[in-house]
Amino acid sequence: ETGVTQSPTHLIKTRGQQVTLRCSSQSGHNTVSWYQQALGQGPQFIFQYYREEENGRGNFPPRFSGLQFPNYSSELNVNALELDDSALYLCASTVQGFNDEQYFGPGTRLTVT
Amino acid sequence: KNEVEQSPQNLTAQEGEFITINCSYSVGISALHWLQQHPGGGIVSLFMLSSGKKKHGRLIATINIQEKHSSLHITASHPRDSAVYICAVPDSFQGAQKLVFGQGTRLTINP
Repeated sequence: ETGVTQSPTHLIKTRGQQVTLRCSSQSGHNTVSWYQQALGQGPQFIFQYYREEENGRGNFPPRFSGLQFPNYSSELNVNALELDDSALYLCASTVQGFNDEQYFGPGTRLTVT
Repeated sequence: KNEVEQSPQNLTAQEGEFITINCSYSVGISALHWLQQHPGGGIVSLFMLSSGKKKHGRLIATINIQEKHSSLHITASHPRDSAVYICAVPDSFQGAQKLVFGQGTRLTINP
């Protein structure tokens, strides 16, 4: 158990729809990062939030957006879903940075049809 | 941009064998992470190390900062060790520190 939870576990959406994925981090973890992991690939960095502000972004279009809340929860929103968005979405939290231990959630598996 | 290479990509062994998984990276780092991912997706952090060696149960991780290389060893392997093992290193990208992941090593331990 890492103390990081994600919801929902699985989700099926249709192309063009919008989706919100949720992550609940451990108390005191000010930094949360979101990753997309396509089947058979390593996770790819989407963005990072630190104290409710976006702190960097990977090569993902603006239709991927996020929020972080004061209660250590966060959201990943994806608009105008495309078939290629089908993947496992992981959040990882830590106290501050990547020299600290990362705590991963179990992931949300999104299927876009 | 840090690039991470793992070898082998796939490894099948018999129960009890000593396992070694290797990870090389291209840019100097302050810490390296070894992660375990079971079928179904969840990732667990096994080690974070910046020098020398760390041991946890049957798992041992070593790192050579000068050679930009790390290894993960499993002694007395067991079928429950079957998983994907991933190494990851920090990298700065547009002001954010992010993790760059290797492609993973799929380990299968047969009874």
